[in-house]
Amino acid sequence: QLQLQESGPGLVKPSETLSLTCSLSGVSITSSTYYWGWIRQPPGKGLEWIGIIHHSGNTYYNPSLKSRGTLSVDTSKNRVSLKLNSVTAADTAVYYCARGPPNYDTYGYYDFWGQGTLVTVSS
Amino acid sequence: SYVLTQPPSVSVAPGETAGITCGGDNIGSKSVHWYQQKLGQAPVVVVSYDSDRPSGIPERFSGSNSGNTATLTISRVEVEDEADYYCQVWDSRSDHSEVVFGGGTKLTVL
Repeated sequence: QLQLQESGPGLVKPSETLSLTCSLSGVSITSSTYYWGWIRQPPGKGLEWIGIIHHSGNTYYNPSLKSRGTLSVDTSKNRVSLKLNSVTAADTAVYYCARGPPNYDTYGYYDFWGQGTLVTVSS
Repeated sequence: SYVLTQPPSVSVAPGETAGITCGGDNIGSKSVHWYQQKLGQAPVVVVSYDSDRPSGIPERFSGSNSGNTATLTISRVEVEDEADYYCQVWDSRSDHSEVVFGGGTKLTVL
């Protein structure tokens, strides 16, 4: 059974870099045809897509992040990482990792999600 | 960027039918996915590719998509259906592509 688990600091200072990892179990990231993505949700608000990455290195990002975000894959540890730099209070959110669409169909949906991790940006 | 518009809230009595709309420019030409999110939980897809139902989703959930509006229909609404619902599309353009979510609709079961 596929499981995703987000981890990382729950508190980040303004202007610093937010770093999160998503550990996968039940699937090898290198054998998967799927994209792996990050979605966030500010408290009391809606979902915001951050981006997706395939183990081949192909990525798509939300242009509204203005190049602050970087996704990467660590095949040795079977995990996906997110780095978001120059954070502000507006980046406070629950961050979810999720299995995205297959690499041959980016129009697809996100079918497996982690439980999410709350990151607060505050001094 | 592409915008998806949902009503903030919809109310329905148990046993009735609820319709949640998702408006977007020529959304009928895109594939629309619908997610249900209960309080404190991660979203779950309830309808994919406009009208498909993933395994394990009750037949009460259905979808349609045409013109500028996609609709999620929940028949014979149950109390457990009370949740936030989000539509999602992949917007592909010449210079970039991205996932877009609607703003979400809170379904209240009276």
